[in-house]
Amino acid sequence: GAVVSQHPSWVICKSGTSVKIECRSLDFQATTMFWYRQFPKQSLMLMATSNEGSKATYEQGVEKDKFLINHASLTLSTLTVTSAHPEDSSFYICSARDQGGLAITYEQYFGPGTRLTVT
Amino acid sequence: GENVEQHPSTLSVQEGDSAVIKCTYSDSASNYFPWYKQELGKGPQLIIDIRSNVGEKKDQRIAVTLNKTAKHFSLHITETQPEDSAVYFCAASPGSSASKIIFGSGTRLSIRP
Repeated sequence: GAVVSQHPSWVICKSGTSVKIECRSLDFQATTMFWYRQFPKQSLMLMATSNEGSKATYEQGVEKDKFLINHASLTLSTLTVTSAHPEDSSFYICSARDQGGLAITYEQYFGPGTRLTVT
Repeated sequence: GENVEQHPSTLSVQEGDSAVIKCTYSDSASNYFPWYKQELGKGPQLIIDIRSNVGEKKDQRIAVTLNKTAKHFSLHITETQPEDSAVYFCAASPGSSASKIIFGSGTRLSIRP
């Protein structure tokens, strides 16, 4: 099946610094990728939809200037957490839809997640 | 927007017994309903999905049912095994574009040996 990777798998950073997380579709093209945040023992909350070649669409309540998303190619989307604070510590997960064929695809493939700890 | 509710939040069953998790959704335009299994520290993995033109789908020990009129869908796991222990999420994809997926709150399933 389709594989989505994330890098890094975990990161620790100091408060006030910025952190970049990469999401790659390894064997398929993804014009649309999604970024989720998951706090301990909670569900996945959609943060934004990343569109290749255009601006991301953010969910209500998500600060677009704090969570910068770049989707520069059909296989790579990046999420940059700017001026990170301890409350940004969370598990960040991306997903991607395989849109290389003619048929409408519904399935999303999820990455393994990136655990961010801000000290 | 779409709202997905999931019950129960925790479920403990004896190995070999069946487990049922139920979800409801609010947006009648939703047409894709996936179920995910998430193990500790990992991303969610799709285990089964169903589309709005189908009432039931089965894959070995896992089955999903959908009632569009009542806007609810359920996951059934039969002959449970220890490796079934995980957190399960239902989800719904609103709209014909089937773009974003909205998750339920999750069910922590424990299988007692």
